[in-house]
Amino acid sequence: DIQMTQSLSSLSASVGDRVTITCRASQTVTSYLNWYQQKPGKAPKLLIYGASSLHSGVPSRFSGSGSGTGFTLTISGLQPEDFASYYCQQTYSSPQTFGGGTKVEIK
Amino acid sequence: QLQLQESGPGLVKPSETLSLTCSVSGASITSSGYYWGWIRQPPGKGLEWIASIYYTGITYYNPSLKSRVTMSLETSKNQFSLKMNSVTAADTAFYYCARVPPHSSSIDYWGQGTLVTVSS
Repeated sequence: DIQMTQSLSSLSASVGDRVTITCRASQTVTSYLNWYQQKPGKAPKLLIYGASSLHSGVPSRFSGSGSGTGFTLTISGLQPEDFASYYCQQTYSSPQTFGGGTKVEIK
Repeated sequence: QLQLQESGPGLVKPSETLSLTCSVSGASITSSGYYWGWIRQPPGKGLEWIASIYYTGITYYNPSLKSRVTMSLETSKNQFSLKMNSVTAADTAFYYCARVPPHSSSIDYWGQGTLVTVSS
């Protein structure tokens, strides 16, 4: 199985900050990398697919980059509604696997 | 508007079989190219893919669970289901049903999730 590692399990940030969340794959996943946002008690929501494509309806302050084994999710100008957990997912190889998540908390 | 809704017992005894159903409204589960799936999340922990099924009925299972899991389509009811046998406390989790659209590998719709607790 491909292991997905999000090195930070949590980070603290303020409204307006630029936040970068990283995800590393144990082997290449090319661009088969998705990002999800999850709020407490809710199902995850798709933010980014194909490493860098913005899902319909997702604010443009969210962006994704990377390929191969290293990926980043950037929130440019953190908003109050962005405080949540974020998960990366690889779908290059079965079984698809998720990172452990990064929780963005209010500083 | 597509909606997915999980249903099933919230409490299952150890060694018994967990059975969940996902009811789909707003789209047909036999629409060409769609995958339907199950993902779980132990409380306070990360996400784990369990299984997927293509609109034709072809199934894909996580090897770590394959020996205990069966997924199927119930086309007359526009539902799909998950059965997991020989459950233990480690199977306690929120279970989500989900959809993957054609020409994609990302999950664009999720159910709200249902908590299944394994306990005697």
